[in-house]
Amino acid sequence: GAVVSQHPSWVICKSGTSVKIECRSLDFQATTMFWYRQFPKQSLMLMATSNEGSKATYEQGVEKDKFLINHASLTLSTLTVTSAHPEDSSFYICSARDFLFTDTQYFGPGTRLTVL
Amino acid sequence: AQRVTQPEKLLSVFKGAPVELKCNYSYSGSPELFWYVQYSRQRLQLLLRHISRESIKGFTADLNKGETSFHLKKPFAQEEDSAMYYCALSVNQGGSEKLVFGKGTKLTVNP
Repeated sequence: GAVVSQHPSWVICKSGTSVKIECRSLDFQATTMFWYRQFPKQSLMLMATSNEGSKATYEQGVEKDKFLINHASLTLSTLTVTSAHPEDSSFYICSARDFLFTDTQYFGPGTRLTVL
Repeated sequence: AQRVTQPEKLLSVFKGAPVELKCNYSYSGSPELFWYVQYSRQRLQLLLRHISRESIKGFTADLNKGETSFHLKKPFAQEEDSAMYYCALSVNQGGSEKLVFGKGTKLTVNP
């Protein structure tokens, strides 16, 4: 079945530094990937839609200069949290949509970011 | 505005009992609804989608447009069904589709 991987699975960084999270579709091509944020015991909130070869579409209230998204290939999207602060600590989850075969979103395992 | 409501944060049943997880939606367009499940320490995975009209792991869900509901049902719950369940609505916005999730219901099936 379709698999989406995320790297790293967890990261701890100092306030003010930048952190990059990778999302890969392992056995299918994804022209569209999605980035979500999940706070403890809460639902997934869509942050942005990542489109291969074009700019990401950000949800209202999400700072595009803080959460940089790059979707350089059909199997890779990256989310960079710039100048991270403790309030950015969260669980970040990506998903990739298999348009060709199943038209289903497949989710990555998530990345736990802790900013000290 | 589009919205998905799961009124129950927690649901606890005994093994073998019927279970129903409620989901209501608000959307002006033609709704496409999904149920996702997240088992402990695992990633979110698709359980079923209304357009497939299928039964997965004994679960079914029927879209009721009149009541704007998409409740998930299983006649006989099993302990392995214990998980977090999310109802999601696919919405078309600005030419792209995205999922709007409910807050989720934690199902516990007791032995």
